[in-house]
Amino acid sequence: QKEVEQDPGPLSVPEGAIVSLNCTYSNSAFQYFMWYRQYSRKGPELLMYTYSSGNKEDGRFTAQVDKSSKYISLFIRDSQPSDSATYLCAMSAGTASKLTFGTGTRLQVTL
Amino acid sequence: DTGVSQNPRHKITKRGQNVTFRCDPISEHNRLYWYRQTLGQGPEFLTYFQNEAQLEKSRLLSDRFSAERPKGSFSTLEIQRTEQGDSAMYLCASSRDSYEQYFGPGTRLTVT
Repeated sequence: QKEVEQDPGPLSVPEGAIVSLNCTYSNSAFQYFMWYRQYSRKGPELLMYTYSSGNKEDGRFTAQVDKSSKYISLFIRDSQPSDSATYLCAMSAGTASKLTFGTGTRLQVTL
Repeated sequence: DTGVSQNPRHKITKRGQNVTFRCDPISEHNRLYWYRQTLGQGPEFLTYFQNEAQLEKSRLLSDRFSAERPKGSFSTLEIQRTEQGDSAMYLCASSRDSYEQYFGPGTRLTVT
């Protein structure tokens, strides 16, 4: 079983919808949580980063971490066609530690 | 900051040949990471440098792989005697004393 599980999708939503993306993990040592957006054949782009449990909001994006359930989420409000990409969750146990990624969820926002 | 840069962006090579990739991190970022990503998967960690010291290597990094970061600036990743299974996107990331890692555009390797 992988340390980080993520539904690969694809997830298709209409423009303007609220999108919910999720990951579960098994390693209790993970303390730092990140979401990356990756367009086809490009490098991952850091979207959100949080430490430990709680919520963090940045514009249309909200990241949630529930360490007790080992569950993290990314919400995208008012989704746009330009949000169509693969979203990767990533986590690490320390500030200098390697990142462990989920497989990524492919999102398609349609007009 | 100009961002992490990687060269070449795409490399096609024949099985058995050696290849070398270069990564230039964001200026003043002391930590540099290499990852490998195959189709439909998330990136997998290969190795990590803090300044010029290579501090961690994954079991994925076989003896055919070697990485260097002379003088703690740019880094190179060399693959000797390439195999078809080495075909992947090789990603470099950097950070400065924090857990946020910023990725470059990647080098796509195709081994024929």
